[in-house]
Amino acid sequence: GAGVSQSPSNKVTEKGKDVELRCDPISGHTALYWYRQSLGQGLEFLIYFQGNSAPDKSGLPSDRFSAERTGGSVSTLTIQRTQQEDSAVYLCASSPYGAQSTEAFFGQGTRLTVV
Amino acid sequence: AQSVTQLGSHVSVSEGALVLLRCNYSSSVPPYLFWYVQYPNQGLQLLLKYTTGATLVKGINGFEAEFKKSETSFHLTKPSAHMSDAAEYFCAVSDQGGRRALTFGSGTRLQVQP
Repeated sequence: GAGVSQSPSNKVTEKGKDVELRCDPISGHTALYWYRQSLGQGLEFLIYFQGNSAPDKSGLPSDRFSAERTGGSVSTLTIQRTQQEDSAVYLCASSPYGAQSTEAFFGQGTRLTVV
Repeated sequence: AQSVTQLGSHVSVSEGALVLLRCNYSSSVPPYLFWYVQYPNQGLQLLLKYTTGATLVKGINGFEAEFKKSETSFHLTKPSAHMSDAAEYFCAVSDQGGRRALTFGSGTRLQVQP
């Protein structure tokens, strides 16, 4: 497809379980971002990948959160030992980057519910 | 550090009326500024952006915004609201270098009354 694809669209998990959220960015986009959208916190930056550089993890809320990006394309956000406060919509965005490339394109998000 | 303040978490207008959604930013470096729209159960869609050059920016669906450096503002306007404009609107700022991650405002939910 032409846009950013995220899967699953919805995920319900039990407290304490691990979850993996997937993001397939637009082909050729070198920059990839994860954001979290939750009630009361708004939209928060989580992590940023740019090409083969080390990711910027400064937005990850705890060490239970991690992400990787394989081959400079698909990214997986992993949340270990989920807690109820992890319930949110997780949004992925990609950007072509470069001097003239300022726009991030967002996926539809994964709605995570921890019960 | 950057920040964005959106005044008014909810705005209600009548169909055909002027839409004005307020955004003020704080940035220690020249900013890039964005407005995104989010329809229910959907991702974010870019409405318009300011990077450099002309301070009045036109976007999709008849929206426009003006970058006013002296007021550190980037308010979003539309002359005549349509029912289809009902959505949540987010103002965002990023810096011109580095990771360019977006810092978002808390959002404004726009209601359009018939």
